[in-house]
Amino acid sequence: KQEVTQIPAALSVPEGENLVLNCSFTDSAIYNLQWFRQDPGKGLTSLLLIQSSQREQTSGRLNASLDKSSGRSTLYIAASQPGDSATYLCAVKRNTGGFKTIFGAGTRLFVKA
Amino acid sequence: DTAVSQTPKYLVTQMGNDKSIKCEQNLGHDTMYWYKQDSKKFLKIMFSYNNKELIINETVPNRFSPKSPDKAHLNLHINSLELGDSAVYFCASSRTPGAGNEQFFGPGTRLTVL
Repeated sequence: KQEVTQIPAALSVPEGENLVLNCSFTDSAIYNLQWFRQDPGKGLTSLLLIQSSQREQTSGRLNASLDKSSGRSTLYIAASQPGDSATYLCAVKRNTGGFKTIFGAGTRLFVKA
Repeated sequence: DTAVSQTPKYLVTQMGNDKSIKCEQNLGHDTMYWYKQDSKKFLKIMFSYNNKELIINETVPNRFSPKSPDKAHLNLHINSLELGDSAVYFCASSRTPGAGNEQFFGPGTRLTVL
């Protein structure tokens, strides 16, 4: 059974700091891993999608890495800004037993001005 | 242009009522999903349809019945609503069910059962 864990559950940092969010999953049989952002009371915005054959993806100040064999992904945010404050969710899509996507519980990020 | 839209955005109703939530996507995707986000903000898959056919059906009470009249629409009907059904329900879509496809989410429907 696939389980997805995100650490830390919450994080508060001063503006300008570089930070790393962690995601771990128990079953390496995945199609892909996707990072989302969720603002309070809003839907999910896709940030980065990493295929199982890829090691990392970059978009602007965001970099996501994937180590499938160890069941880990990290989301690196450079030069954090108050507008980055949100909940960040990691989700893995299984390639066994159907195409189910399993979400982590998220990391709540607060960037102080 | 809204890619994945849901109606209504808020739904407040009494226990025992029947209600529906509608979802539409204009991305030309084949696959659509319903997720439930509970009070602890944990997102769980409920159903997935590919080309109007059910491909994922999690252990969801049979009071919940999805219906896909065409590829662009996936509606969720809930019978005999219970207090525990209170949650935010998200619709999502992707090009196909398999690898390499980003999921795009709607804004959510906040259901409150009194």
